[in-house]
Amino acid sequence: EPEVTQTPSHQVTQMGQEVILRCVPISNHLYFYWYRQILGQKVEFLVSFYNNEISEKSEIFDDQFSVERPDGSNFTLKIRSTKLEDSAMYFCACSGTGEQYFGPGTRLTVT
Amino acid sequence: GDSVTQMEGPVTLSEEAFLTINCTYTATGYPSLFWYVQYPGEGLQLLLKATKADDKGSNKGFEATYRKETTSFHLEKGSVQVSDSAVYFCALSDEGGSEKLVFGKGTKLTVNP
Repeated sequence: EPEVTQTPSHQVTQMGQEVILRCVPISNHLYFYWYRQILGQKVEFLVSFYNNEISEKSEIFDDQFSVERPDGSNFTLKIRSTKLEDSAMYFCACSGTGEQYFGPGTRLTVT
Repeated sequence: GDSVTQMEGPVTLSEEAFLTINCTYTATGYPSLFWYVQYPGEGLQLLLKATKADDKGSNKGFEATYRKETTSFHLEKGSVQVSDSAVYFCALSDEGGSEKLVFGKGTKLTVNP
C-alpha cells in the first residue's frame, strides 16, 4: 500500500536556526498539507497546497514558514528562524479526491 | 470557526469490554466526519468516515454514526482487543477530505489483557 514518508524522524535545532522538514507524498495525490501537534495538544492545521500554490493557511503559518514542492516528488516545510514554541510533531498529509493520508511525523525540538 | 470536542482520556479497559469515545462538533455547513487512529510511533491512519447525516462509518469492528441533530460522531466497538491500544482522534472537514481537517484533542485508549 502506498505510504507517505517523512524525514528526518527527529530534528534537534537551536533557536534561530532554519530547518527544513521533508515529505514524500503518495505519487498520484494532488493536495498536500502540513499539520503540527504540540505535546499534549490538538493536531493543528498549518497549510494546504494545490497546483503549486498555497490554497489555505492558518494563523500559525506566518512569514517564518514556507512550503515548496521543489521536484514533483518532495514536499517541504521550511521554518526560517525557529523559536522554542515551534517544538512539536509535524505531520505531512496528502489526498487525491478523498481522505487524507498522513506520514509518521517529524519531531522537531528547538533548544 | 469549526471545532471538535472529544472525550478526555486516558481510557483504560479490559479486553472484550465495550468502548465508547464521545465526539461532538461545531460547524457552519455540512462537514464530513472522521476518526483517525495513531498507534505508538506511527502516523495518523484513517479508521472510518461519514460524509452525510445518518451515515454510519465502520472498519475493524469500530463504528460511528453521523448524528446531525446532536452534532455527534461517537466511536464505538463492541469488544476491544489489546491491539486497539492507541490514540483516537475525531476530525471534521468541510469537504470530503480534501479541505483542511479540524481535529479533536485525541483520546488515549489502553486495553489490558
